[in-house]
Order: sequence, then C-alpha cells, then structure tokens
Amino acid sequence: KAGVTQTPRYLIKTRGQQVTLSCSPISGHRSVSWYQQTPGQGLQFLFEYFSETQRNKGNFPGRFSGRQFSNSRSEMNVSTLELGDSALYLCASSSNLQLAGRADTQYFGPGTRLTVL
Amino acid sequence: DAKTTQPPSMDCAEGRAANLPCNHSTISGNEYVYWYRQIHSQGPQYIIHGLKNNETNEMASLIITEDRKSSTLILPHATLRDTAVYYCIVWETSGSRLTFGEGTQLTVNP
Repeated sequence: KAGVTQTPRYLIKTRGQQVTLSCSPISGHRSVSWYQQTPGQGLQFLFEYFSETQRNKGNFPGRFSGRQFSNSRSEMNVSTLELGDSALYLCASSSNLQLAGRADTQYFGPGTRLTVL
Repeated sequence: DAKTTQPPSMDCAEGRAANLPCNHSTISGNEYVYWYRQIHSQGPQYIIHGLKNNETNEMASLIITEDRKSSTLILPHATLRDTAVYYCIVWETSGSRLTFGEGTQLTVNP
C-alpha cells in the first residue's frame, strides 16, 4: 500500500503571498490531519478533516485553512504569509478505526518544507 | 491527553539494545501509549502502540508497567539508521490530535 504523499516537497514564498499544500492519504483512510513543525514550537496540530468536514482545530489563526475532497485528498492553505510560517508542514492519515472502538494510528507523509522570505 | 516525560538524549552502541524510557503517570484507562520516531527533517514514523499488554512488532518491543505509569521502547539491535528523535505519546484515539513533546534524541554510535 502506498504511503501518505505530500506535494510539493519544498516551497519558497515571499511575505504576503499565499500557498496551497496538498496531501493524498493512504488508500482507504478517511481522516487527514495537518501539523506544523518549527524548531521553536515543535510539532503542533493544525486541524483534522473527516468526510470533507473539519472535525477538530488547533490554535492557529484564520490565515490557516484547509479542505478535504470526496476522495479524502486534502489541501491546506496559508494566506498572507509571514516569516514565522516557515516550517515543515506534515500531513497524517488514519483509517478512523476509533469508530469501531479500536486503536487508531496516524501515518505521516514526508512533509512540505515551506520557506518564507 | 496525559503528558509524557522522556530523557532529552540517549546514546547506544551499534548492535546493542536501545531502551528508551517514558513516564506517563497521569495516563487514564482508555489512553494508549504510542511511539513514533523522526529522522532529521522527515515525517514522523509510527513504531508501535499498546494499551496494557507488552507488544512486539518487526521494529521494536513495547513494555508497559502493570500500573501503566511508565513504558519502555526497546530496539533489540540498534543500527546507525535508528538515530532519530523518539516520541512517546499518550493518546485516547477518540480525539484526532497527537500531542508531541520534546522526545528523546537517540544517537547510535559505531
């Protein structure tokens, strides 16, 4: 089974621009979560989508948004980029077995390295 | 989710077992212990998880104490490629967010 894929792998933008990152989950997985990793803050949860609906949200400003498509693929968007948005953006997918009362496991993609100049 | 405490760094000789400890004294009955690792600038890699019983897979073994307040991840024969940051996470799994701490930087030396 193919793993989680993220595109692009590297991205350079300037302040004020916007960016869209893409994530394709493992086949059959319906839940997609996004995380931001920076040297200062570590790994932080952004939001989670399930069945095209945002189900959970972390403590990030409204400039960070996302969506999920009917095929479970997900995108996240960051508008009006700031220098502090430079980070590794990680996507993780899970099968959502929690609905069956079983342990769920999130599998991460390789990440998109965003640099804001 | 309960918080975890891990040593910031550990060293291990190649070929030896690496034993990584984790304290989670406030763990509740429905929370699982998960271990992930992250090799520099890559996405975290799932290793293993458990609830009460000890678990083993092709990558590692997980030993959970009877009171569930601590656990140990064991890499039986560490290689240089096992050098990474290892994260111990306590997770209810009914929630969708993983809370990562600082983890343990494991360095495997030749």
